[in-house]
Amino acid sequence: NAGVTQTPKFQVLKTGQSMTLQCAQDMNHNSMYWYRQDPGMGLRLIYYSASEGTTDKGEVPNGYNVSRLNKREFSLRLESAAPSQTSVYFCASSAGQGSYEQYFGPGTRLTVT
Amino acid sequence: LAKTTQPISMDSYEGQEVNITCSHNNIATNDYITWYQQFPSQGPRFIIQGYKTKVTNEVASLFIPADRKSSTLSLPPVSLSDTAVYYCLVVLDKLIFGTGTRLQVFP
Repeated sequence: NAGVTQTPKFQVLKTGQSMTLQCAQDMNHNSMYWYRQDPGMGLRLIYYSASEGTTDKGEVPNGYNVSRLNKREFSLRLESAAPSQTSVYFCASSAGQGSYEQYFGPGTRLTVT
Repeated sequence: LAKTTQPISMDSYEGQEVNITCSHNNIATNDYITWYQQFPSQGPRFIIQGYKTKVTNEVASLFIPADRKSSTLSLPPVSLSDTAVYYCLVVLDKLIFGTGTRLQVFP
């Protein structure tokens, strides 16, 4: 039982490059989330998926797209990376249905130069 | 206008009880208030969740007044390993993490 897994763990991009961050959970959770955490700051919600087949914008969605591929997997795509997107990205999942008891992955540390 | 407010930092000594408050004036009426703990270079870890009044689990207690405009996380006598950043998570117009409180526990 791995919980929430994220790949890659580290990534360096040049401005304008694209990439997809992968997230998978094995807890049969309905809801999945993508957050970013800038150095010394709190977490901000980028996008979430309340259930398979649905996605919604969070607090800071600009510059990102997401795909809920199936119940297990939720990917985050940066189409044209910018230095302002340098951050640590966390994926999380929860059972949903009003509960925000979320389980977090280990994070992806992204640097955009 | 801050969406949530938490003290930036708190100091405590081992064996003391610690209370951390999060203010959230515009909270949605039908959602849980949740608290997390985060250690450096790790994702947040769930501590406790409640809707109103008082909730207690094996790790902490959570006090929520009737107007739900704030919540207080109460940690039992703390140890050095409780040194971490503590966040509230609430639903305002969106799901919002609090600003975080850095708790330092001294021997």
